[in-house]
Amino acid sequence: DAGVTQSPTHLIKTRGQQVTLRCSPKSGHDTVSWYQQALGQGPQFIFQYYEEEERQRGNFPDRFSGHQFPNYSSELNVNALLLGDSALYLCASSHQGGANGELFFGEGSRLTVL
Amino acid sequence: AQSVTQLGSHVSVSEGALVLLRCNYSSSVPPYLFWYVQYPNQGLQLLLKYTSAATLVKGINGFEAEFKKSETSFHLTKPSAHMSDAAEYFCAVSDYESGYSTLTFGKGTMLLVSP
Repeated sequence: DAGVTQSPTHLIKTRGQQVTLRCSPKSGHDTVSWYQQALGQGPQFIFQYYEEEERQRGNFPDRFSGHQFPNYSSELNVNALLLGDSALYLCASSHQGGANGELFFGEGSRLTVL
Repeated sequence: AQSVTQLGSHVSVSEGALVLLRCNYSSSVPPYLFWYVQYPNQGLQLLLKYTSAATLVKGINGFEAEFKKSETSFHLTKPSAHMSDAAEYFCAVSDYESGYSTLTFGKGTMLLVSP
């Protein structure tokens, strides 16, 4: 049973560029959440997708956007990259919005902005 | 609004010694509480969770945590540390109002285990 898979694992971009990160949820899960983990910090909630709609959003600017596809996979897009966007981006999946609160995390995509 | 405070960014123990990682939370409604572990260059793995049932929660790898409402704490313990326990540990909180799967994490505690 495949867990949460993310791609790419590492990438380097320059300021002002745009990036797309991808996530496939654990089998049987229909809800995807994205978190940003800056170096030395705990993960911070970006947003959550369920039934192809953004259900909740954390305190992140509109430069951060996402999408969920009919097969429940998801993309995170970041426009106009800033140096401060350098972080590990974690995708987490759950079932029906995670009613029991349990999230399963992928290994993350490490973004470096130069 | 919720928040989590983890006391001590680094905790060092000897192999075989007691592990105690501290977590205090703030929540205006009954919380769900979690401990996750992160090994280098990996994602987060759930160790254990409290969801309003038994206040003493047992998790994987011999870890357990006790929910103490009066102290707003959810400290993580393990009787005897093993070298493989060296990792970063995150405490997290969620609740019904914010969405059970929307977690607020602490800044993490790095556990160092020496032989």
